[in-house]
Parts: sequence; structure tokens; C-alpha cells
Amino acid sequence: IAGITQAPTSQILAAGRRMTLRCTQDMRHNAMYWYRQDLGLGLRLIHYSNTAGTTGKGEVPDGYSVSRANTDDFPLTLASAVPSQTSVYFCASSDSSGRATGELFFGEGSRLTVL
Amino acid sequence: GQNIDQPTEMTATEGAIVQINCTYQTSGFNGLFWYQQHAGEAPTFLSYNVLDGLEEKGRFSSFLSRSKGYSYLLLKELQMKDSASYLCAVMDSNYQLIWGAGTKLIIKP
Repeated sequence: IAGITQAPTSQILAAGRRMTLRCTQDMRHNAMYWYRQDLGLGLRLIHYSNTAGTTGKGEVPDGYSVSRANTDDFPLTLASAVPSQTSVYFCASSDSSGRATGELFFGEGSRLTVL
Repeated sequence: GQNIDQPTEMTATEGAIVQINCTYQTSGFNGLFWYQQHAGEAPTFLSYNVLDGLEEKGRFSSFLSRSKGYSYLLLKELQMKDSASYLCAVMDSNYQLIWGAGTKLIIKP
């Protein structure tokens, strides 16, 4: 089934540990995004990539890094996890950098708990 | 700063009509979006408005007034499966999406 796949779906992590959330899409979309979703807050953009080989910082980039070695994959790394990074993380993609209809396609989310 | 406001929660009855409002203040405007998100699931795209007026898509309609910084999502003939959160988002002048916190819609029989 075409779409976006995220892994893991859920993870409990000790503070200070390094963690990589994986995201793969098979729609050949140019643009990819990482959001976090916290109760009572809107989706907040962490990092984005308009095309393979380029990345940019979103609204809340601190403590996170990304890479975009190819079109399909966009991993998000927490170098040293802290409890405030407990959240649900969504990877998303769009064509034309979202400048067409702006429709984003989301993965199913990764629920991360940092203790 | 940029801001998207929508009610936190609304309750409606199966078969009825409900209107979910969204007001926004953003740096520029390149379109307004509504997404649906069922509990524990990913958001899914519902509608896109860039010009003033009403866009109808089946039981769902979305309205935009750019001069008022206002939109609403209208859901008709409510079904139990419409119980979800509805997210309003605006694309600003940098083509970044600014998201509201979402409106949780509860449908009662």
C-alpha cells in the first residue's frame, strides 16, 4: 500500500539516550516534514526538506536533527533525549513543496515517551 | 505573532449539522486547510480554500473570508464516524503551515 511508513510506532526511552525515528515514503514526493503533536497544541514543525539533499529548520528544531540522503527516507534523530521530547511524532510528505493544494500525507505517528 | 484559534471541543447530535469556526492571524496567506484526525490516527486532508467563498465536498463544506481572517467547516447529516478532531491550518507567506490546536467533535446518538 502506497504511503508513508514510520517506525517505531511506540517507544519508551531513557533520558540521555539517542533515538532515531524512521520515515519512508513511496509516493516520490519532493517535500517531507517532521511534526510533533502535544495535547492542547497544534502540530509544530520540527524540520523539513523541500527536496533530497536539503533540509531546513521548523518552529521547534532544538534537540533534533534530520537528513535527506534520498527522496524516500527522512529520519529524525534525537541526539540526547529529554522528557520534554515526550510527544507523538508525525512524518508527512507533499508534492511541489506544498505549494500546490498544500495537501500533506501523514504517517501513522510514532509515540515517544522519554523517562 | 501568528495565531490560529478554534474551539477546543464541540458536541452535536447524529443527523444534525455542525459548524466549526477558525480565525487566524498570520504573516501572509497562501491558503487555508482543514484536516480530520480520528483519535490515535494520522490527520487526513479534508479541504483547501484560497479564495473567498464556499467549497462543497459531499457532506462537508468549507468557507473562507480572507478580509475577516475567518473560516468554517460545515458538516451535514452527522454520522457517528464523524467523531474526530478537526484541524485548521493556514499556509503563510513562506509557504509554511501554521496549525490550530484542533476542535474535538463529539457526536451523540
